[in-house]
Amino acid sequence: DAKTTQPPSMDCAEGRAANLPCNHSTISGNEYVYWYRQIHSQGPQYIIHGLKNNETNEMASLIITEDRKSSTLILPHATLRDTAVYYCIVRSQRGIQGAQKLVFGQGTRLTINP
Amino acid sequence: DAGITQSPRHKVTETGTPVTLRCHQTENHRYMYWYRQDPGHGLRLIHYSYGVKDTDKGEVSDGYSVSRSKTEDFLLTLESATSSQTSVYFCAISDRGPNSYEQYFGPGTRLTVT
Repeated sequence: DAKTTQPPSMDCAEGRAANLPCNHSTISGNEYVYWYRQIHSQGPQYIIHGLKNNETNEMASLIITEDRKSSTLILPHATLRDTAVYYCIVRSQRGIQGAQKLVFGQGTRLTINP
Repeated sequence: DAGITQSPRHKVTETGTPVTLRCHQTENHRYMYWYRQDPGHGLRLIHYSYGVKDTDKGEVSDGYSVSRSKTEDFLLTLESATSSQTSVYFCAISDRGPNSYEQYFGPGTRLTVT
């Protein structure tokens, strides 16, 4: 699996867009980029995923560079409730027997300031 | 929220005693996972299941065993607990099909081995 590199921490003002970068320079052609977040003491929560194209859902947008070596998660209007650790994960869509064996790194601790 | 419960939510036990953690789902999802989370390590996969009675090891499986006798329950057993197994344990589930990219996590079990 491709390894990912994320900044350990970031700050963002409430109401502004939070842009979280992730480097995955060794990503292979069939590997997806997933983003999860973990709010203090809770289980991780899926945010979004993508392969090549940019993706958007009700939570966030995912921008993947053309060479797929990096991506950015965008929270368009950050709120205090978005304070969490954000994990960028690169994983092929199917593991053994179709299971997903996610590999979590250290993530980025995002703090939204009032 | 996905119907995942973990029991117990907190447990303190002594070194050398057996411990079983339970994960229960009401979603009828095919795949179930056990992760542990320690400071400085993120989440690491212990074992996973891809069907009733079908399980496989993750990256940190030593000292742990699992069982899945029915779809809704996935048990994690520490045969003889050690202090290094003090951790927060998360169960997760995922399904196959078009929505199989997302794992849903339970609330976690905090285990302390003294």
